[in-house]
Amino acid sequence: DAKTTQPPSMDCAEGRAANLPCNHSTISGNEYVYWYRQIHSQGPQYIIHGLKNNETNEMASLIITEDRKSSTLILPHATLRDTAVYYCIVRVHTGTASKLTFGTGTRLQVTL
Amino acid sequence: DTGVSQNPRHKITKRGQNVTFRCDPISEHNRLYWYRQTLGQGPEFLTYFQNEAQLEKSRLLSDRFSAERPKGSFSTLEIQRTEQGDSAMYLCASSPPWAEAFFGQGTRLTVV
Repeated sequence: DAKTTQPPSMDCAEGRAANLPCNHSTISGNEYVYWYRQIHSQGPQYIIHGLKNNETNEMASLIITEDRKSSTLILPHATLRDTAVYYCIVRVHTGTASKLTFGTGTRLQVTL
Repeated sequence: DTGVSQNPRHKITKRGQNVTFRCDPISEHNRLYWYRQTLGQGPEFLTYFQNEAQLEKSRLLSDRFSAERPKGSFSTLEIQRTEQGDSAMYLCASSPPWAEAFFGQGTRLTVV
């Protein structure tokens, strides 16, 4: 699985958009970009994933660059409850076992 | 609650003792994963089951560790002769085929 690079920490004011970047310059054509987050003392929570098109769900939007070497997770209106560690993961999406390889993620602090 | 359930939530044990953790996945999820997470790090993959078959094991899973999923439903992770380095959060996740994994809240092990 391709490696990812994320900033170790970011701050965001409540109500503002949080834009979390991820670099994955060695991504292969069949690898997807996944985002999970982990709120303190809880298990990771799936947020969103995509291959090459931008994706949006009720939690967030995922913007993937045309060359697929980087992506941005957007939380449109961050709240205090979005304070968490956000993990960007790149992996093959197949029917066989496809474990998640977590890095150290970005610690997002949402402040008043 | 229909999420992934892990028991116990916390376990303190003396070095050298054996411990066993249990994971109850979401019903009808045929895939089950175990991860380990130490402080400040992302979760690390340990092992994976598809139904009752253990299909993949990480080199992190030393011979003191054993995992089972006897009937393809709940799973147990046993650590024999615990060491202080085994202190960590042990996370279980489950998924159906072709879908994202859902994580439990983990079992925090402290070896004293």
